[in-house]
Amino acid sequence: KAGVTQTPRYLIKTRGQQVTLSCSPISGHRSVSWYQQTPGQGLQFLFEYFSETQRNKGNFPGRFSGRQFSNSRSEMNVSTLELGDSALYLCASSQPDEKLFFGSGTQLSVL
Amino acid sequence: SQQGEEDPQALSIQEGENATMNCSYKTSINNLQWYRQNSGRGLVHLILIRSNEREKHSGRLRVTLDTSKKSSSLLITASRAADTASYFCATPGYGNNRLAFGKGNQVVVIP
Repeated sequence: KAGVTQTPRYLIKTRGQQVTLSCSPISGHRSVSWYQQTPGQGLQFLFEYFSETQRNKGNFPGRFSGRQFSNSRSEMNVSTLELGDSALYLCASSQPDEKLFFGSGTQLSVL
Repeated sequence: SQQGEEDPQALSIQEGENATMNCSYKTSINNLQWYRQNSGRGLVHLILIRSNEREKHSGRLRVTLDTSKKSSSLLITASRAADTASYFCATPGYGNNRLAFGKGNQVVVIP
């Protein structure tokens, strides 16, 4: 089986722009979670989707949003980018409530 | 806030030595997981231990769980250069968190 695929791998944006990140889960996995990783805050949970419905949401402002499509692929969007949004964004897929399989992440740099 | 906290934060050892890292958590859990992350990449699931288990082995890995002390340890025996990575513990988060990760424990194995 192919693993979790995240695109793009690297992204450079400027403040105020918006960005969309994509995640294709492992075939058959219907749960997709997103995490933000920074040196200062570590790994922080953004949101989780299951069967196109947001099941859980972390403590992030409304500028961070996501969605899941009927084929379980997921996207997350960050609007009005701030310098502090620079981070590695990780997507993970799983069967419900089981171990997570992570993609390689999207490294976002906001200038 | 982070549910898990690993200790120590950084460890440098010679190849062939054992590496031990600890994780503490705050609330009752039904399982605890350990993940490994190679530099700038996604996390890889290593092992899951349930609250009714005290010890679990997987290859050169040994995980213990002490629910009375709310702590877990990960032991890597006969370390190899390829074990150089960051290691994270993760617990089912409180509130809306899918998984809450500790801050990570960087291990460097010197050949």
